[in-house]
Amino acid sequence: DAKTTQPNSMESNEEEPVHLPCNHSTISGTDYIHWYRQLPSQGPEYVIHGLTSNVNNRMASLAIAEDRKSSTLILHRATLRDAAVYYCILRIRDDKIIFGKGTRLHILP
Amino acid sequence: NAGVTQTPKFRVLKTGQSMTLLCAQDMNHEYMYWYRQDPGMGLRLIHYSVGEGTTAKGEVPDGYNVSRLKKQNFLLGLESAAPSQTSVYFCASSPSWSNTEAFFGQGTRLTVV
Repeated sequence: DAKTTQPNSMESNEEEPVHLPCNHSTISGTDYIHWYRQLPSQGPEYVIHGLTSNVNNRMASLAIAEDRKSSTLILHRATLRDAAVYYCILRIRDDKIIFGKGTRLHILP
Repeated sequence: NAGVTQTPKFRVLKTGQSMTLLCAQDMNHEYMYWYRQDPGMGLRLIHYSVGEGTTAKGEVPDGYNVSRLKKQNFLLGLESAAPSQTSVYFCASSPSWSNTEAFFGQGTRLTVV
């Protein structure tokens, strides 16, 4: 299974942008990069996904490196409600969804 | 739409008892998954299904069995519960393409004493 590497934890101040990195050096050409987050005591929820181009939605932006070996999830203006564990996942063709350990994001008021 | 519904939400079992967790989705998704999450850890895939009547092993399948007799339901069974199976269990479903999102249930908190 394709692997991703994320920092264990990060901190950010409220109302500031947050950049969450993910390395996926073994990514294949057809693997999609997905991000999910898990709020305390809840199931994971979808954030965003992309293949090659940068992507924006109402929750976040996804910046994908030109060689696709890394990506960055960008929260433009973090709030306390964004404190969660963020998972970077590669969706591979046989479609097992394998989670890594994720990044625990702490938001400081 | 209800999305992904897990039943029950909480359960306490004695060692050696059996039980079945039910996952139901109303989105006509082909793929369904069962995960477990231990305290402070990420989600680990137990079993998954790519369609009605098919199942496959994930990362940690031992001690669990699954069935997908109907497309909308995915059952996770524990034949003889052990304390090591104390965990929070999450079910998910998704369409069959890798460029689509998966939807997760709210979890079942299982304690085996």
